[in-house]
Amino acid sequence: GQQVMQIPQYQHVQEGEDFTTYCNSSTTLSNIQWYKQRPGGHPVFLIQLVKSGEVKKQKRLTFQFGEAKKNSSLHITATQTTDVGTYFCAATLVKAAGNKLTFGGGTRVLVKP
Amino acid sequence: DVKVTQSSRYLVKRTGEKVFLECVQDMDHENMFWYRQDPGLGLRLIYFSYDVKMKEKGDIPEGYSVSREKKERFSLILESASTNQTSMYLCASSLVSYGYTFGSGTRLTVV
Repeated sequence: GQQVMQIPQYQHVQEGEDFTTYCNSSTTLSNIQWYKQRPGGHPVFLIQLVKSGEVKKQKRLTFQFGEAKKNSSLHITATQTTDVGTYFCAATLVKAAGNKLTFGGGTRVLVKP
Repeated sequence: DVKVTQSSRYLVKRTGEKVFLECVQDMDHENMFWYRQDPGLGLRLIYFSYDVKMKEKGDIPEGYSVSREKKERFSLILESASTNQTSMYLCASSLVSYGYTFGSGTRLTVV
C-alpha cells in the first residue's frame, strides 16, 4: 500500500493567501524531496531535506522535515498565480535500494485571482 | 542545460504491439527510472536501474521490461501493449541520493 500520504489532495487558494501541504509516513524516512509539476508539464525538483527537524526556505516556500523523520510540510506565503500546479513530496524509505523514491499522491493547487 | 530526453511526446499503438519507449540523459547519472502517471494514482514506479545492465522491479513491473545497455540510455518495453497501459510515462535520472531530473514524458495511447 501507499507509504507516503499527502494532504490535502486539492487546495483552492485566494491569491495573496498562505497555504500548507503535508506529507506523512508511518515509517521512518531517510530523506524527503519536494517537486512541482505545472499543468501539462513534468515534475521539477525543488528541494531535499535530510536532517531531523530541518527547515529550508526558497523565497516564499518553506520546507520542514519532522523531528521523527516521518512527516514533512511545504508552506507557501502570499500565493501567486505562478504557484499553480501539483506539489509532490517523495521519500526515500530507510533501507530502500539505490535512490528509489516513493511519491505521495500530490496536492493540486488552484489559485483564485 | 542538463537534459533527460524522451523519444516521443505522443504515441498511439495498437493492442498487442510491442512498444519501445526510449530515454536518454546527458548528465552521467548512475540512476534511471521509469514511472507512469495516471489521474488519481500519482506517480508509480515501474522499473529502475542503478548501473549499466542492472535493473530492479518497481511497484508495478507487470507487463513491462527494461534495458540499460549504456549508462545514458534506459528503455522501457511493453511486450504486448494493452489498453490498461494507456498512460503518461515519465523517465527520470539522478545521482545517488539526490533529486530526480524528469523528461517531458510520453503520452501513450493503446487502442
